[in-house]
Amino acid sequence: DTAVSQTPKYLVTQMGNDKSIKCEQNLGHDTMYWYKQDSKKFLKIMFSYNNKELIINETVPNRFSPKSPDKAHLNLHINSLELGDSAVYFCASSQVGEGHSPLHFGNGTRLTVT
Amino acid sequence: QQPVQSPQAVILREGEDAVINCSSSKALYSVHWYRQKHGEAPVFLMILLKGGEQKGHEKISASFNEKKQQSSLYLTASQLSYSGTYFCGTEMSLVHDMRFGAGTRLTVKP
Repeated sequence: DTAVSQTPKYLVTQMGNDKSIKCEQNLGHDTMYWYKQDSKKFLKIMFSYNNKELIINETVPNRFSPKSPDKAHLNLHINSLELGDSAVYFCASSQVGEGHSPLHFGNGTRLTVT
Repeated sequence: QQPVQSPQAVILREGEDAVINCSSSKALYSVHWYRQKHGEAPVFLMILLKGGEQKGHEKISASFNEKKQQSSLYLTASQLSYSGTYFCGTEMSLVHDMRFGAGTRLTVKP
């Protein structure tokens, strides 16, 4: 059973297009995240949601809009794609509470903007 | 707010030891360690909570010095399978905000 699954795995598109990445977790976690990993492997938090509520929005351009229809899903929609958006996007989930649980990552979506 | 990791890269022979350091200028609630292999997702190794504990699993262990806001990951008698990029992730509170260091690329050669 896949714990955190995201689709698609690869996304190749042209500048100016709009695209979405979907993420689902079946771990029963209450918190979900989007991270962006650039070509230098730097993992940068973009958003975190707790029980469908936006907690962190880390100075991400307005072109990026997360949506959490329920606590098991966190989708990412990107408008007007730019070359600089090319990266690997990871969805993750955790159960936040006393002691903090680890982040469970999806397998990533490699976005290439041409 | 991101923690600082060092070194950036390490090359070892099988059986050698390595230490990876992670430090923060802010008071930390917890430190996480993850390993990422090429083309894969980061995988959790261990969590250390404030209180200055040390944890270990076989030949990989870690410590957290709350006074200095530093954590270290110790890899002893390294194996080929230890190769990958190691990230420390830090949280300053119970807010859902995990920040990662820039990563340490570890290469173990036969």
